[in-house]
Amino acid sequence: GQQLNQSPQSMFIQEGEDVSMNCTSSSIFNTWLWYKQDPGEGPVLLIALYKAGELTSNGRLTAQFGITRKDSFLNISASIPSDVGIYFCAGQLPGNRDDKIIFGKGTRLHILP
Amino acid sequence: GAGVSQTPSNKVTEKGKYVELRCDPISGHTALYWYRQSLGQGPEFLIYFQGTGAADDSGLPNDRFFAVRPEGSVSTLKIQRTERGDSAVYLCASSSLAPGGLAGAQQFFGPGTRLTVL
Repeated sequence: GQQLNQSPQSMFIQEGEDVSMNCTSSSIFNTWLWYKQDPGEGPVLLIALYKAGELTSNGRLTAQFGITRKDSFLNISASIPSDVGIYFCAGQLPGNRDDKIIFGKGTRLHILP
Repeated sequence: GAGVSQTPSNKVTEKGKYVELRCDPISGHTALYWYRQSLGQGPEFLIYFQGTGAADDSGLPNDRFFAVRPEGSVSTLKIQRTERGDSAVYLCASSSLAPGGLAGAQQFFGPGTRLTVL
């Protein structure tokens, strides 16, 4: 089946640093999504991207839909303690009649004290 | 307003037993999804309902897994003869828009049910 390769698997950063993570696929996606998951909770949508080349911001978060439609990145600027969690990239395939989401394995963000 | 709720939050069972996991979607949401999340992995699609019917069950791993949504609202995921490999967090999501639309349909996730099979 389709796979999303998400990197890095985990990150250890200092508060205030910028963060960058990305996702690649061998398949073309119609939609790229970025989610954050906190312990004991379900994923929460951060940013949705619908067009190749699209660059979208949500506060300190910025994400882009790659022009090949096979990749996406998420940047977080000036990280704060509440940014800790697992970030998932996800996509929806062309012709997808049910909008099911294919998730990457996640990037675990840790902020050092 | 209330989000997606799932019960129980935790379920511990023994190998071979039958379990039911419940999902209450956001009121008025016609689309409902079940995903399974194993430790250290992203969620994986199991089944999708539009209204009362299971429109896509291609993600169910085998015939021990079954889900229903008899009145188009609450859904129950049923697992027969549980195995240790079934241990995971089972997530439910719902959305209000018809799928396949131009803008996609945002799925709202519940907190999940953590199933442990001993």
